[in-house]
Amino acid sequence: DIQMTQSPASLSVSVGETVTITCRASENIYSNLAWYQQKQGKSPQLLVYAATNLADGVPSRFSGSGSGTQYSLKINSLQSEDFGSYYCQHFWGTPYTFGGGTKLEIK
Amino acid sequence: EVKLEESGGGLVQPGGSMKLSCVASGFTFSNYWMNWVRQSPEKGLEWVAEIRLKSNNYATHYAESVKGRFTISRDDSKSSVYLQMNNLRAEDTGIYYCTRDPYWGQGTTLTVSS
Repeated sequence: DIQMTQSPASLSVSVGETVTITCRASENIYSNLAWYQQKQGKSPQLLVYAATNLADGVPSRFSGSGSGTQYSLKINSLQSEDFGSYYCQHFWGTPYTFGGGTKLEIK
Repeated sequence: EVKLEESGGGLVQPGGSMKLSCVASGFTFSNYWMNWVRQSPEKGLEWVAEIRLKSNNYATHYAESVKGRFTISRDDSKSSVYLQMNNLRAEDTGIYYCTRDPYWGQGTTLTVSS
């Protein structure tokens, strides 16, 4: 099974800052990667699919990058509504493993 | 508008059974693979099972942690997907989401406890 190692586990940042979250796959997943945002008490919402493509309605301050085994989600100029938890998930064959998550908190 | 509505969660004793249902609307259900994903504070998000299409002979795939205990099925005539869960364990406790890439339902909560 492919393991997804996500870092950092938590981040304390201020509005306006830029953050980068990374996911490393245990083997090449050929950009079959999605990023989700989850707010407390809500289901995850898709941000990025196929590693670099923004989902409909996602602000352009979000961007995804990477290839092979290394992937990143970058959020420019963090807004108050961006705080919550973020997860990566690969889709290169079952089981579609998730990363452990990153909790983004207000400093 | 795509909607996925789960039901069937609740409290069950270890070793017991439960069946979750998910009714879909807003898209042609029979054209999409469907998945169940669960979430718990201890394990985070965990993909559970997938069922493919009639043209794929309704092929199914399972996480190792549920293989042999859980069964995913679908009824395309009812736009529904199900998760039959047997021999439940405390570690199966969590919120269960029905998903159809990229959509998620609101989830239904399963608690396995005596």
